[in-house]
Amino acid sequence: AQSVTQPDIHITVSEGASLELRCNYSYGATPYLFWYVQSPGQGLQLLLKYFSGDTLVQGIKGFEAEFKRSQSSFNLRKPSVHWSDAAEYFCAVGAGTASKLTFGTGTRLQVTL
Amino acid sequence: ETGVTQTPRHLVMGMTNKKSLKCEQHLGHNAMYWYKQSAKKPLELMFVYNFKEQTENNSVPSRFSPECPNSSHLFLHLHTLQPEDSALYLCASSQVMGTITGELFFGEGSRLTVL
Repeated sequence: AQSVTQPDIHITVSEGASLELRCNYSYGATPYLFWYVQSPGQGLQLLLKYFSGDTLVQGIKGFEAEFKRSQSSFNLRKPSVHWSDAAEYFCAVGAGTASKLTFGTGTRLQVTL
Repeated sequence: ETGVTQTPRHLVMGMTNKKSLKCEQHLGHNAMYWYKQSAKKPLELMFVYNFKEQTENNSVPSRFSPECPNSSHLFLHLHTLQPEDSALYLCASSQVMGTITGELFFGEGSRLTVL
């Protein structure tokens, strides 16, 4: 069965610092990988996705993620965090259909000024 | 109005009440979904509708009853709920192309509290 692990429940970074959120997955074939962000009181918004091709994926709001098959990872990065990036971030892995999409438990990002 | 709209945003109900959550999407998508989001747990897929037909029911208790009258509207009817059903209920939509689901677009959720 597929699974997603986000090892960090809560991360605090200073504004302007770099950010890396970890995501490890277990999946039997080439996965579809996603990162979503949820601001307080809001639904989830897609940041970026990987289906195939270039393993470095660019997303919205200056985020990027790198698919590393050998490490079964899809870590999310941002070179300089803004206070508005404070939110909860969810990694998800699937087979291309929503019914087969598995979400991680999320990482809550706090940004200090 | 664009995107996915959910009403009400907040709902408090007793265990004997009957209430409904409503979701409307203005994106022209052909698939709609109900998810349950509880604290410290992964997002749980509850129901999937493709072209108004239910295609997934992930062992959801019968006290949750979905309804999809058309591709733009989705309801979740609630009756005799339990306190452990308190959660954020998220609606999403997507464009399904063959067996591939495009990006999920989520509503802001309905926060349900069962007393």
